[in-house]
Amino acid sequence: AQSVTQLGSHVSVSEGALVLLRCNYSSSVPPYLFWYVQYPNQGLQLLLKYTSAATLVKGINGFEAEFKKSETSFHLTKPSAHMSDAAEYFCAVSRTNTGNQFYFGTGTSLTVIP
Amino acid sequence: ETGVTQSPTHLIKTRGQQVTLRCSSQSGHNTVSWYQQALGQGPQFIFQYYREEENGRGNFPPRFSGLQFPNYSSELNVNALELDDSALYLCASSPGGLTYEQYFGPGTRLTVT
Repeated sequence: AQSVTQLGSHVSVSEGALVLLRCNYSSSVPPYLFWYVQYPNQGLQLLLKYTSAATLVKGINGFEAEFKKSETSFHLTKPSAHMSDAAEYFCAVSRTNTGNQFYFGTGTSLTVIP
Repeated sequence: ETGVTQSPTHLIKTRGQQVTLRCSSQSGHNTVSWYQQALGQGPQFIFQYYREEENGRGNFPPRFSGLQFPNYSSELNVNALELDDSALYLCASSPGGLTYEQYFGPGTRLTVT
């Protein structure tokens, strides 16, 4: 069985501060892992994905995430928060063999304080 | 290149009615997945269609059904609507059954009263 747990349903950071959004996964096989962002009343946009290549993955808008197998984690970071980063962030896991099901976390709402 | 589109944007239905939601996949994509996102929750996988065949299903009852057409567009049908079916329904398309390359549409907001 596969699932993801996002620690912290709400995270607030000051503009210019480090953003850290946490995601832990459980998977019986090596997973594919993803981070998506959702702005109000919109669909999901892929930020980055891990598909068993480099463990440090760089995505769009300055975000990156590191796959740590020993910790079963895939935390999302950004060195300096911008006001436009305020959104809902979802971590997701997929099976590697067929990839035909995604399992999303419950999401973390990021607020950026000016 | 046209992205994933969904229609309608919003709709309101009454409990017990039936609804059809539509999705046009991104050009070149032959796989469509549907998700239900309740308010304040992450998306839940409903099912996936690959080359017009169902290719995986989540934990949803049979009153949730789907179709994929030869042009790879897709429909999600929900019968006997319940209040808990109120949600944002998201469609995602991907090439060649590779879900990790999936791209999402803006969603259809369904309200059941």
